[in-house]
Amino acid sequence: AQSVTQLGSHVSVSEGALVLLRCNYSSSVPPYLFWYVQYPNQGLQLLLKYTTGATLVKGINGFEAEFKKSETSFHLTKPSAHMSDAAEYFCAVYNFNKFYFGSGTKLNVKP
Amino acid sequence: NAGVTQTPKFQVLKTGQSMTLQCAQDMNHEYMSWYRQDPGMGLRLIHYSVGAGITDQGEVPNGYNVSRSTTEDFPLRLLSAAPSQTSVYFCASTKYRVGQGTSEQYFGPGTRLTVT
Repeated sequence: AQSVTQLGSHVSVSEGALVLLRCNYSSSVPPYLFWYVQYPNQGLQLLLKYTTGATLVKGINGFEAEFKKSETSFHLTKPSAHMSDAAEYFCAVYNFNKFYFGSGTKLNVKP
Repeated sequence: NAGVTQTPKFQVLKTGQSMTLQCAQDMNHEYMSWYRQDPGMGLRLIHYSVGAGITDQGEVPNGYNVSRSTTEDFPLRLLSAAPSQTSVYFCASTKYRVGQGTSEQYFGPGTRLTVT
């Protein structure tokens, strides 16, 4: 079975600071990779995805992520945090017809 | 285009009761799935379907049944509810082609279920 590890269940940054949310996965075959965001009492929204091609992918709201096969990582970054980025973020992997999610990272943005 | 809809939004059950969570999508997506979300555990796949008439188990299928008689609908049945099934349930759909994989999932708004 796949595993998806998100380091840090809670991350706190100041407004304007760099956001870095970490995601590592276990897979012998390069999977499809996704980052989703969840605001309180809502469903999940796609931020960005990697399927094939360019390993640096850009998403909505200024987020981007880089697929590093050698490190089995897909970390999410944003150069400058905004108050509206406060939410929970989930990394997900698709392989062999199934989606697997990490346990989530709650991002707190301090004024 | 309503996307993925789920009913009900909230439900309280007593232990041993049964119920069906409804999920429908209007995007003609082949792949549909059910997840439960529990604090600190992310989303865990319960069951999924790659097309009408085809279903398979995910990570946590015990206590849940599904069927897929149409492309649009994918109901989740709890046959005998237990307190351990207290959770938030999400349905999702995505495009799918055999041998070509899939794309991003579209999620419904969720059903908050409490079993007492």
